[in-house]
Amino acid sequence: AQSVAQPEDQVNVAEGNPLTVKCTYSVSGNPYLFWYVQYPNRGLQFLLKYITGDNLVKGSYGFEAEFNKSQTSFHLKKPSALVSDSALYFCAVRPNYGGATNKLIFGTGTLLAVQP
Amino acid sequence: EAQVTQNPRYLITVTGKKLTVTCSQNMNHEYMSWYRQDPGLGLRQIYYSMNVEVTDKGDVPEGYKVSRKEKRNFPLILESPSPNQTSLYFCASSLRRGPNYGYTFGSGTRLTVV
Repeated sequence: AQSVAQPEDQVNVAEGNPLTVKCTYSVSGNPYLFWYVQYPNRGLQFLLKYITGDNLVKGSYGFEAEFNKSQTSFHLKKPSALVSDSALYFCAVRPNYGGATNKLIFGTGTLLAVQP
Repeated sequence: EAQVTQNPRYLITVTGKKLTVTCSQNMNHEYMSWYRQDPGLGLRQIYYSMNVEVTDKGDVPEGYKVSRKEKRNFPLILESPSPNQTSLYFCASSLRRGPNYGYTFGSGTRLTVV
């Protein structure tokens, strides 16, 4: 079955420290990978995506993610966390096969809490 | 402003009383979709639409209906809501099918069925 796993329900980090939010996936073929962020009482906002090419993808608000095919991972990273980064983060994958429905398969989300 | 608009933002209703959650986008997007978000389960797709008059089931379609009579609107209909449909609902759209076309999400509708 195709799935996305975010093993940590919550990640706590001090402001100014680097952060990592983990994501692993299980899909057939070469997937398309995404990260979205959800602030309180808001819809999901696109952060970044990996389609092909360089394994390190840079996105909005200083975030980046590294695609690792051998480990089937797509961890989200930021060198220096801000309190304003505190939010719920979702990893998502779009299976890449003919006739795909454009459906995104989401992980369960990771709450990032950045302490001042 | 380009956006996906959902209404209402909050809704409390009783079991069995039909309701409709509206979704409208002003970006001329072909693809639209409904998701529900539940704690510990992430977002799960309910229904999607590739274009006008083309709709199909997602992963959790039971108890829901949709229609796509116009390109901009994609309402979600609960004919007989039940408490297990209490959830946070999101409508999303994208220009067309394909990974290079990202999703734009609405702000969500929090539905409580008592």
